[in-house]
Amino acid sequence: SAVISQKPSRDICQRGTSLTIQCQVDSQVTMMFWYRQQPGQSLTLIATANQGSEATYESGFVIDKFPISRPNLTFSTLTVSNMSPEDSSIYLCSGSSGGEQFFGPGTRLTVL
Amino acid sequence: GEDVEQSLFLSVREGDSSVINCTYTDSSSTYLYWYKQEPGAGLQLLTYIFSNMDMKQDQRLTVLLNKKDKHLSLRIADTQTGDSAIYFCAETVGGKLIFGQGTELSVKP
Repeated sequence: SAVISQKPSRDICQRGTSLTIQCQVDSQVTMMFWYRQQPGQSLTLIATANQGSEATYESGFVIDKFPISRPNLTFSTLTVSNMSPEDSSIYLCSGSSGGEQFFGPGTRLTVL
Repeated sequence: GEDVEQSLFLSVREGDSSVINCTYTDSSSTYLYWYKQEPGAGLQLLTYIFSNMDMKQDQRLTVLLNKKDKHLSLRIADTQTGDSAIYFCAETVGGKLIFGQGTELSVKP
């Protein structure tokens, strides 16, 4: 199974600023994803991170707000831009290979 | 549409069996998953089942899949207090996971 780490694990940010979250997988994975989990809610897919090309965003999420990079098969970043309190959430990175999909521990973001 | 349904709460006594149910919508889902989330933690992959299987057993966990009814269940035998958590089922749609709302399992001693 793949082990996924994320940095930072948590942060408190001011409105209007941006935060970049890093995701590192300890082995090559076919696909990488970014999810959001709002307080007390289930997970919602933000986008699929594509290696070497633009991410594929789900309805309701746009590149200007959530730019994503994936320079290789084991690393991806998600930026939450121009943050507002509504962006307070847990952001989780995920990687899949074969039938298994694993998650990182999440980044808990609070926007004041 | 894409909608995975779970009951929100389940309470059992330590040592009993727990059964968490889930219904999904996409009959073409290749894999169906169960994840566990403890307070303040990320998601732990518990088990998954391929869509051509009816049952999968892994130690205390048994997954049953009824494709006709699009119903998935997770049975935890001999439930322990350490099993208290939120359990999410998820289906695959176009390679992406669609999650249910999660079932909060409370285990009473």
